[in-house]
Amino acid sequence: GENVEQHPSTLSVQEGDSAVIKCTYSDSASNYFPWYKQELGKRPQLIIDIRSNVGEKKDQRIAVTLNKTAKHFSLHITETQPEDSAVYFCAASSVMRDGGSQGNLIFGKGTKLSVKP
Amino acid sequence: KAGVTQTPRYLIKTRGQQVTLSCSPISGHRSVSWYQQTPGQGLQFLFEYFSETQRNKGNFPGRFSGRQFSNSRSEMNVSTLELGDSALYLCASSKDGSGISSYEQYFGPGTRLTVT
Repeated sequence: GENVEQHPSTLSVQEGDSAVIKCTYSDSASNYFPWYKQELGKRPQLIIDIRSNVGEKKDQRIAVTLNKTAKHFSLHITETQPEDSAVYFCAASSVMRDGGSQGNLIFGKGTKLSVKP
Repeated sequence: KAGVTQTPRYLIKTRGQQVTLSCSPISGHRSVSWYQQTPGQGLQFLFEYFSETQRNKGNFPGRFSGRQFSNSRSEMNVSTLELGDSALYLCASSKDGSGISSYEQYFGPGTRLTVT
C-alpha cells in the first residue's frame, strides 16, 4: 500500500522567512496530493492541493511542487507569519478517472512549524 | 453551507464496551471517510463510504466497522474497546464525482474517545 514520509518533523523559522516541508510517496498510482494545516485543538484544514498532471500550484504565500519521477512533493510558505504556526500534514491518494476520489488519504506524520516573531 | 459535524465531541468508555460515532457530511457530499488520529501514529485512514457502500478500508482490525445511510450520514462503531483505541476520530466528506474540487476532503471537528 501507499506510504508517505514527511520531513522535517519540526521546523522553526523567523517571521518573514520561508519554510519548506518535503514529502515522498511510494505508490506510483497516487495522483492527488493535498496539504492540511492543523492548529492545536482544531480540525485539519485543507490549505492547498495538487494533482499529478500539474507540476506546481500557488495560492498567495503558499505553493506546492510535485516531482512525479522522484515521487516527492513539497510545500513552500513564503513571508511566514506567527499565525502560520501549526502542524502541517501532507497526504496522497488516487483519484479515479472520472474525477471521483478514492477517499483514502494516506498522511505523513506531520511537521510542527513554529514561526518566531 | 454548514460544515462537517460529528457527535458526540467527547466520549469516555471502559475497556470491553462498544461505541458508535456519528458524522454528518457537508450537504451534497456523497463520500465520507474516517480517520484515527493519535500522537504516536498520526492520522490513519480507517475506511471510506460512498453510496452506502464501503469503498476503501485501511489496516484496522474488524472491531472497527462503519456504515453510511441514504442521506450520506455515516456512523462508525468500535466493539470490545481497548486502551489503545483512545484517540481523536475524524471524519471527512467530499463531493465525489467528476469536476474540479470534487475530491477535496473537508474534516469534521472530531470525536475525542478516551478508553479507561
